[in-house]
Amino acid sequence: TQLLEQSPQFLSIQEGENLTVYCNSSSVFSSLQWYRQEPGEGPVLLVTVVTGGEVKKLKRLTFQFGDARKDSSLHITAAQPGDTGLYLCAGANYGQNFVFGPGTRLSVLP
Amino acid sequence: KAGVTQTPRYLIKTRGQQVTLSCSPISGHRSVSWYQQTPGQGLQFLFEYFSETQRNKGNFPGRFSGRQFSNSRSEMNVSTLELGDSALYLCASSLDAAGKSYEQYFGPGTRLTVT
Repeated sequence: TQLLEQSPQFLSIQEGENLTVYCNSSSVFSSLQWYRQEPGEGPVLLVTVVTGGEVKKLKRLTFQFGDARKDSSLHITAAQPGDTGLYLCAGANYGQNFVFGPGTRLSVLP
Repeated sequence: KAGVTQTPRYLIKTRGQQVTLSCSPISGHRSVSWYQQTPGQGLQFLFEYFSETQRNKGNFPGRFSGRQFSNSRSEMNVSTLELGDSALYLCASSLDAAGKSYEQYFGPGTRLTVT
């Protein structure tokens, strides 16, 4: 059974601080996605990484896929209250269902 | 291009009843997956449909079923509702071109409350 772990589970920071959240697995994935979800809404896709070692930037968000394609990190620079939400990572392999981590709940205080 | 739509958005049912939820994927997407999300269990995979066939299935009882139509629209049904079925039910669609399914796009979800 493929599992994804995310850490930390909860994170509360002040506006302007930097943070990193992690997504780890003992399994290899063909691709990995990061989503952000707000209460009562569906997850919104932020990024997909497919190549080991790949780094993608989305404004103040930097995503990295591990060399072995088993782990990933999300770094947010100068966090803003609008970054508040549940961050989910999901791993995918061809023809198999997506595997989701439990999420990191981020709260950015003004 | 329109996103994934789910109807209804909110639903209140009584124990023992059954419910049907509907999902319309992004145009051109052939894969539709269903998830149950609860505060305690997180996002749990129910099943995936591709070209009207169930391709993958999660560990849920037979009370949970689904189907996909020729236009890729999908429905899921829960029979004999239990209090524990209260959750946000999410549908996600994927292009799944040439056997590859890198990305899923989610709908807004259906909030089911069982009383």
